[in-house]
Amino acid sequence: AQSVTQLDSQVPVFEEAPVELRCNYSSSVSVYLFWYVQYPNQGLQLLLKYLSGSTLVKGINGFEAEFNKSQTSFHLRKPSVHISDTAEYFCAVSTHQNSGGSNYKLTFGKGTLLTVNP
Amino acid sequence: KAGVTQTPRYLIKTRGQQVTLSCSPISGHRSVSWYQQTPGQGLQFLFEYFSETQRNKGNFPGRFSGRQFSNSRSEMNVSTLELGDSALYLCASSLISGGREAFFGQGTRLTVV
Repeated sequence: AQSVTQLDSQVPVFEEAPVELRCNYSSSVSVYLFWYVQYPNQGLQLLLKYLSGSTLVKGINGFEAEFNKSQTSFHLRKPSVHISDTAEYFCAVSTHQNSGGSNYKLTFGKGTLLTVNP
Repeated sequence: KAGVTQTPRYLIKTRGQQVTLSCSPISGHRSVSWYQQTPGQGLQFLFEYFSETQRNKGNFPGRFSGRQFSNSRSEMNVSTLELGDSALYLCASSLISGGREAFFGQGTRLTVV
């Protein structure tokens, strides 16, 4: 079974400051990793994904994340945040073992509420 | 390309009633998954369907059920509603190969009173 831990439930930052949202995962098999963003009363929007290859992945809205297999981490970063980045961010994992057939599911962390203040 | 469509967006039901939620996936996506989101439990997997068959099920009571039609559209049903079933129900669709990137609908907000 896999699990995801988002280390911070809330992260307040000032506009134009850098931010890092932390995510650690646990799995006995190889994983696919995702970051999603959720705005109030909305569904989830995919920010970026790691499937294979380069461990640094770039996503939408200037976000990037780095996959670190030895530390089982997938932290999300943005060098300069905007007010409009205020939202809840979810890290999620699925495993190679189940991606192509039965037993597929996404396992989510509890979420990190990013609040960008002027 | 149209996204994932969930209907209705909002529902208010009384305890003991049943409810059916609908999800239309992105064209070409054969897999549909359902998730429940609550403030206390976060995002929890309910079940996944493709080719009209349930492929995986989360840890929810049998009151929660679903089905998928030949056009990949899916419905989920909750019978004998309880107050604790109040939640945002999210549907996601994906291809059934590769990394299975999931695309989510806007959700159905169910309130049980």
